[in-house]
Amino acid sequence: GAGVSQTPSNKVTEKGKYVELRCDPISGHTALYWYRQSLGQGPEFLIYFQGTGAADDSGLPNDRFFAVRPEGSVSTLKIQRTERGDSAVYLCASSESSGMGEQYFGPGTRLTVT
Amino acid sequence: AQTVTQSQPEMSVQEAETVTLSCTYDTSESNYYLFWYKQPPSRQMILVIRQEAYKQQNATENRFSVNFQKAAKSFSLKISDSQLGDTAMYFCASRSGGGADGLTFGKGTHLIIQP
Repeated sequence: GAGVSQTPSNKVTEKGKYVELRCDPISGHTALYWYRQSLGQGPEFLIYFQGTGAADDSGLPNDRFFAVRPEGSVSTLKIQRTERGDSAVYLCASSESSGMGEQYFGPGTRLTVT
Repeated sequence: AQTVTQSQPEMSVQEAETVTLSCTYDTSESNYYLFWYKQPPSRQMILVIRQEAYKQQNATENRFSVNFQKAAKSFSLKISDSQLGDTAMYFCASRSGGGADGLTFGKGTHLIIQP
């Protein structure tokens, strides 16, 4: 089985533009997580899905950030009116279920806002 | 809220030596989990080892072991017989045990294994 995949691997956009980042979790994993990793920092939690619903979105920095997982598999992180401060690596992880299910990470999308 | 602190931005050791990476954490939870992740230049986070807080015995995975001091809220990682492939960023992380919350990470330690 394939691991977690993320597309694109790199994205360069201009300030003010809209971007979408995609995450394909491991097949059968019900839990999906998004993290943001700024340069020189550890990943910061953004949002967690259990199935189709966002179980915890407390890490989203503001209302320009939104994520969906309409069919309980693929997830898309959407950023409106991008700012230079949004530049970071966006990591996705999935796990089998709640509790101690190990989180398996994708390779991330490096977003650069110019 | 949980916090994780790694006070060593960078460490360098010779191949085959033993190295210990430090981590302290703070949590109000009684049930929680602790992890060490490795992040090579490929950016892929790889789980190295994990510890359930309710277990007194320190976790061990081959050359990797932890020293879990619950009262001191300390969770250090020991790498024995270090190898060139161990060169990477290492992140300490915690998670509450109540559900499937997201991980809280430290800032990381850049470990360099010299030949």
